[in-house]
Amino acid sequence: KNEVEQSPQNLTAQEGEFITINCSYSVGISALHWLQQHPGGGIVSLFMLSSGKKKHGRLIATINIQEKHSSLHITASHPRDSAVYICAVRSGGGADGLTFGKGTHLIIQP
Amino acid sequence: GAGVSQSPSNKVTEKGKDVELRCDPISGHTALYWYRQSLGQGLEFLIYFQGNSAPDKSGLPSDRFSAERTGGSVSTLTIQRTQQEDSAVYLCASSPSGSFYEQFFGPGTRLTVL
Repeated sequence: KNEVEQSPQNLTAQEGEFITINCSYSVGISALHWLQQHPGGGIVSLFMLSSGKKKHGRLIATINIQEKHSSLHITASHPRDSAVYICAVRSGGGADGLTFGKGTHLIIQP
Repeated sequence: GAGVSQSPSNKVTEKGKDVELRCDPISGHTALYWYRQSLGQGLEFLIYFQGNSAPDKSGLPSDRFSAERTGGSVSTLTIQRTQQEDSAVYLCASSPSGSFYEQFFGPGTRLTVL
């Protein structure tokens, strides 16, 4: 079974700061997802990637398959970015469901 | 367009009762997933449907849990003889085809077993 570790568990930063959230996994994967969950809210998919880098607005996700590691970056952070960010992986070998990290609770203070 | 919908949004039941949770995926999406989010446990995969193929039930925690998907669209997750440890938010997600696509999540059903 794939083990997914995220760091940090909690992060408080000031508005405008550059944010990095890390995700490591133990077994080779076919895809990695970054998800966002606002308090009391639903889950939104931010990125799905299997190699390289993707960018959407102020969000950037990178993955290094050899090192089994991914990062989610937020540039020019804003209080509305405050949420839980969850890394999830789809392992190979016919396993279809996602294995989730425990999430990073991000608070951006104005 | 309409997203993934789930009903009910909240369900309170007594220990030992059966419950049914419903998921309506995005129209045209052939893949449907059920997940559970428990306090202190995070998110966990329960079951996956893809088209008319046999579902991947590898995440179901016990034989009290079952799910079906009728006509390749609506899905129902059934929990028999509910236990207090079944209390959680049950989330449904769908994707256009297979597990190599982005998943779209529903708002979830919060289940409380007294």
